Order: sequence, then C-alpha cells, then structure tokens
Amino acid sequence: DAGVIQSPRHEVTEMGQEVTLRCKPISGHNSLFWYRQTMMRGLELLIYFNNNVPIDDSGMPEDRFSAKMPNASFSTLKIQPSEPRDSAVYFCASTRTWVGDNYGYTFGSGTRLTVV
Amino acid sequence: QQQVKQSPQSLIVQKGGISIINCAYENTAFDYFPWYQQFPGKGPALLIAIRPDVSEKKEGRFTISFNKSAKQFSLHIMDSQPGDSATYFCAASTGPGAGSYQLTFGKGTKLSVIP
Repeated sequence: DAGVIQSPRHEVTEMGQEVTLRCKPISGHNSLFWYRQTMMRGLELLIYFNNNVPIDDSGMPEDRFSAKMPNASFSTLKIQPSEPRDSAVYFCASTRTWVGDNYGYTFGSGTRLTVV
Repeated sequence: QQQVKQSPQSLIVQKGGISIINCAYENTAFDYFPWYQQFPGKGPALLIAIRPDVSEKKEGRFTISFNKSAKQFSLHIMDSQPGDSATYFCAASTGPGAGSYQLTFGKGTKLSVIP
C-alpha cells in the first residue's frame, strides 16, 4: 500500500499564477478530503468528495479555489489566481466506509505552497 | 464547522513524565473522537480513537479519557519519550452516514519531551 500520494511536495509560485495540487488516494477508499494547514488556523477542511462526488465545499475560501475528482484514483485542487495568503501546507486525505472503532483518515505528506 | 477546542497550544514535558492534552466539544451529535499525531514534514496519522460509550481506552502508553456529560476528552501519554515530540490533534465526527465522515479538528498541541 503506497499510501496517499500528493504532488508536488513543494511549490513556489508568483502571485497571480495558477497552481494545481494533485492527489492519488488509497485504492479502495471512497472518500477524499482536502485540508489546508496554517499556524494561525490549524487544519481547515476545504472540500470533500464521496464516491467522486463533491459533498461539502463550504470550506473553500473563495472562487479562486476549485477541486475536481474525475475518477476514484485522482483529485486536483486548483488555485487561480494564487495570492500570498494562500501560502500553506495542503493535505489530501482519504478513507473508506468506516467500520469498527479505530478508523480514520490516511493523510498524504502534503504540498507546501509558497506564493511570493 | 462545529468547533473542537484543544488545549494547551504547546506543552513541554520531561522524559518519563505524563503528557496531558485536553479537548472540549459542543456538538452532542459527535460520536467518534480520534487523536492524530503529526511529525514535522509529515501528514497527521491516526493514533487512537474512542466512542462515547466507553470512558477510557488504552493502547500502550496512550490513553484517551472521555467525559460525555462534560463534553470533554483528553489524551494521556505515560512515560513520555523524546520520540513522542510531535503535534497532536484531537478530532470529532458524527460517524457513518451520508456526509458525516467529516472530521472536525482541534488546533493542535505541540509536545516537546526533553531528556
């Protein structure tokens, strides 16, 4: 099991540029989550998908952010145009239908985004 | 999102001591409470979890204590080791069902265990 795979690990871009973050969830997991982590706000849920369908995108900060999940093995988070305040670590996490008492998300290693 | 309030923000403990991190929640519909551990440069990883039908769950040196009436739960790390130095997050969820796999996280506690 390769875990949740995110790319790139680091991204430095100039303000106004488009940024695309990628995520490959664990095979067999049917829910996928995008989180943003900053010192000030901690872990914030941006959007999550269940069976490739967006369920809740209320955490997406504004229209500059968009996310897609075209199939069960791939998702993207796009920021266009990017701004310095978007600088953060973006995590993707996936999970399957929960059973038992010890279940939860598997997080990727994150993408550290810096917008200059 | 429903809030989960976590304290303290940071914690320094001597090696061999007990680390205690507390969380409080508001939503009485929450019925699943996991703790996550995050090392620098890594994503959070599930450490231990509890449901509100039990008051305590222990796995090795890690124990969750749960007080349903007070809507509080805590993580205790016994015999804390330098390798436990990490950021710990509590979380809560309303459990299975459409749209309810969503975890609400606390803001995190940075634990430093000094030799």
